[in-house]
Parts: sequence; C-alpha cells; structure tokens
Amino acid sequence: DSGVTQTPKHLITATGQRVTLRCSPRSGDLSVYWYQQSLDQGLQFLIHYYNGEERAKGNILERFSAQQFPDLHSELNLSSLELGDSALYFCASSVAQLAGSYNEQFFGPGTRLTVL
Amino acid sequence: EDQVTQSPEALRLQEGESSSLNCSYTVSGLRGLFWYRQDPGKGPEFLFTLYSAGEEKEKERLKATLTKKESFLHITAPKPEDSATYLCAVQVFGGGATNKLIFGTGTLLAVQP
Repeated sequence: DSGVTQTPKHLITATGQRVTLRCSPRSGDLSVYWYQQSLDQGLQFLIHYYNGEERAKGNILERFSAQQFPDLHSELNLSSLELGDSALYFCASSVAQLAGSYNEQFFGPGTRLTVL
Repeated sequence: EDQVTQSPEALRLQEGESSSLNCSYTVSGLRGLFWYRQDPGKGPEFLFTLYSAGEEKEKERLKATLTKKESFLHITAPKPEDSATYLCAVQVFGGGATNKLIFGTGTLLAVQP
C-alpha cells in the first residue's frame, strides 16, 4: 500500500458525459501528479500540482482539467468523454517539488474508466 | 525529444533462471532514473531510484545499475511471484517547474515454476 488513495476504482459512463476522479496523496506529500495508462500508449504524464498550484502540463487534452484543494487532495475532471478516453488513470504523489530536487513518486491504485 | 526505450518487450524465464532487463534513455537534463513494478490492473510500485552513472541498488533478487545511457535491472534466481511488468522512468528537469516522469513501455516478465 503506497498510501495514495483514489476513488472510484471503476467508472463506466457514456460518450459525451463528464466524470470526476479523486486522489488523496500520502500524508505530508505536497505534489500530486496525474497519469493516463492505455494499452497502446503506456503511462503518459498529464498534469502536476504542487501545494495547490499547477506546475506543469503534459499530454492533457483541453477537455480534461484538474485542481488541487487546500487539504491537498486533487480531482481530475474529464468532460465530453470519447471512446478513446477509456484507460486507467493514476495519481501519484511525492514529498516536495523544489527546483532541482529528486523525488520518488508513489502511485495510487488507479481508476479504470470505461466509456461506452 | 526525451525518450525511454525498454527491452525486451516480454521475457519468459524458468524459475531460478537469472536475466537482465534493459532501459535506454535519450533525455536532456536527467534528474534520476526510477524502476517500478506493476501488477495487472494495479498502480506502479516503486522499486529503485538511481541518480548517477555507476550507482547500484539492490532489493532481494533485484539489482539495478545505471550508466550514462542506460540502466539494467538484473533479476537473480527469479521466482514466479516476480512475474509482473517492470517499468523504467526518467525524471527530467522541467526548467524549475516540474520533475515529470517519462516512462518506457515496460518489460512483461513471466517466471514459470
């Protein structure tokens, strides 16, 4: 158990809908990262938040957005869902995010999203 | 463009048959190399961090090494419970804003009894 929690574990929805995925980082971790894992793409970095502020975006679609709240939990919002959005979505957390620092990222169990 | 390549894509071993997995990378501003283990449908589990060429880390039957262009994950006398996908990731310096991880596509290891 990494200490990172994600809810829900599974989500089944229809095209065009909007869903919210939730992540609670390990106690004491200020950084939250979101990744998407699909069969043909592997793990792809989506977005990084540090202490409530967006720090970087990766391959994140405009239909997707995220935020990190004062209690440090984070939510990933996916809207206008398409069949191709079906994937595993992982959240990871790390201790801190200072420039030049090295931090292991610890992953949650993931949310499996199925878009029908 | 930053890139991480893992080989082989899949590896089947007999229990006790030692082998190595390879991770080669082409990145600017490497800040660290990480190995993870991932079981089907679960989140990646952190194994090792390597920061500089020549560094080695060990954990049970696993040993990770790092050179300037690649890393190896050596598996000594594997057991069936070592079966999993092993992921390599490099942490790149994002200009002070982030330390994002770039993952390889993984090596699927199957250890047969």
